[in-house]
Amino acid sequence: AQSVTQLGSHVSVSEGALVLLRCNYSSSVPPYLFWYVQYPNQGLQLLLKYTSAATLVKGINGFEAEFKKSETSFHLTKPSAHMSDAAEYFCAVRTYSSASKIIFGSGTRLSIRP
Amino acid sequence: ETGVTQSPTHLIKTRGQQVTLRCSSQSGHNTVSWYQQALGQGPQFIFQYYREEENGRGNFPPRFSGLQFPNYSSELNVNALELDDSALYLCASSLPGQANTEAFFGQGTRLTVV
Repeated sequence: AQSVTQLGSHVSVSEGALVLLRCNYSSSVPPYLFWYVQYPNQGLQLLLKYTSAATLVKGINGFEAEFKKSETSFHLTKPSAHMSDAAEYFCAVRTYSSASKIIFGSGTRLSIRP
Repeated sequence: ETGVTQSPTHLIKTRGQQVTLRCSSQSGHNTVSWYQQALGQGPQFIFQYYREEENGRGNFPPRFSGLQFPNYSSELNVNALELDDSALYLCASSLPGQANTEAFFGQGTRLTVV
């Protein structure tokens, strides 16, 4: 079975500071990993995805994530936080064995301090 | 290219009633998935439809049912509503078969059961 764990339900950083949102996955087969963002009262938007090509994945809005198999991690980072980054972020996994469904983590709420 | 649209955006139902939620998939996408997102949690997979047939189901009781139409739009029906069914219901459309395929999400329907 596949699962993802997001460490920290709430992260607060100052504007301009580094953003680091943590995600660890569990999968018995090679996973496909995703980060989604959800703004208040909206649906989910894909930030980036790992599909077994490059381990460092660049996404939209300056975000990137690195797939580390040895650590079973897929942490999301952004060098400099902007006020508009305040949102809920979800790490998710999907595999060939269960291609029909995406399994989401419980989410991390990112707050940005002026 | 139109995105995923859901209707209605909000509704309030009484416990024991039935509800139907609707979703129009993104142009060209013949696979539709439904997710339930309870307050403060990540989305949970309900089921997926491909070519008008259910193609995978999560851990939800039979009172959650669905349909997909020839134009790939879809409905989610919930019978005998319970208070715990209060959630944001998200629809996602995608191309079939590939686990690395991006799923595009609608804005969701906020269901409140009183």
